[in-house]
Amino acid sequence: DIQMTQSPSSLSASIGDRVTITCRASPGISTYLNWYQQKPGKAPKLLIYSTFILQSGVPSRFSGSGSGTEFTLTINSLQPEDFATYYCQQSYTTPLTFGQGTRLEIK
Amino acid sequence: QVQLQESGPGLMKPSGTLSLSCAVSGVSISSTHWWSWVRQTPGKGLEWIGEIYHSGSTNYNPSLQSRITISVDKSKNQFSLELNFVTPADTAVYYCARAVANTFHDWGQGTVVTVST
Repeated sequence: DIQMTQSPSSLSASIGDRVTITCRASPGISTYLNWYQQKPGKAPKLLIYSTFILQSGVPSRFSGSGSGTEFTLTINSLQPEDFATYYCQQSYTTPLTFGQGTRLEIK
Repeated sequence: QVQLQESGPGLMKPSGTLSLSCAVSGVSISSTHWWSWVRQTPGKGLEWIGEIYHSGSTNYNPSLQSRITISVDKSKNQFSLELNFVTPADTAVYYCARAVANTFHDWGQGTVVTVST
């Protein structure tokens, strides 16, 4: 199975901050990497697919980059609704696998 | 607008068979998508269970393959999951999802399944 490792596991930030979450894949997955946002009691929501393509309706303050084994999700100018848990997921091959999540909290 | 809605037993006893259904609306289950099951636990996080295409083709997670069956009912526009010989480790929130190119574009709200004596 492809192992997905996110860092950090949790992160505290303030409104207006820029934050970056990292996801590492082993072995490499080209650009077959997706990001999801999950709020308590809700299903995950697709934010970004294929490393950098924003899902329809997702604000442009979200961006993704990377290839191979290292990927990043960046959120510019944090808004109150952005405080949630973020997951990466490789779409390179089955079994599909997820990172363990990064919890973004308000400082 | 695509909507998915899981239904299931809620509480189960160990060694039983878990049966979940996912009703799909807003799109035909015969469209060019894969229909997936994903579960979430506090300990293991998000775990992909498996998927089915409307033709009946399936892909399963090897870690669960010996215990699962995913099926599709085109007449009801729904698909289903059966998980045999459940244990407390199968306690989770179970989600159904619509997948395109191994990417989960739409999710159900999730259904909590607890396995306990």
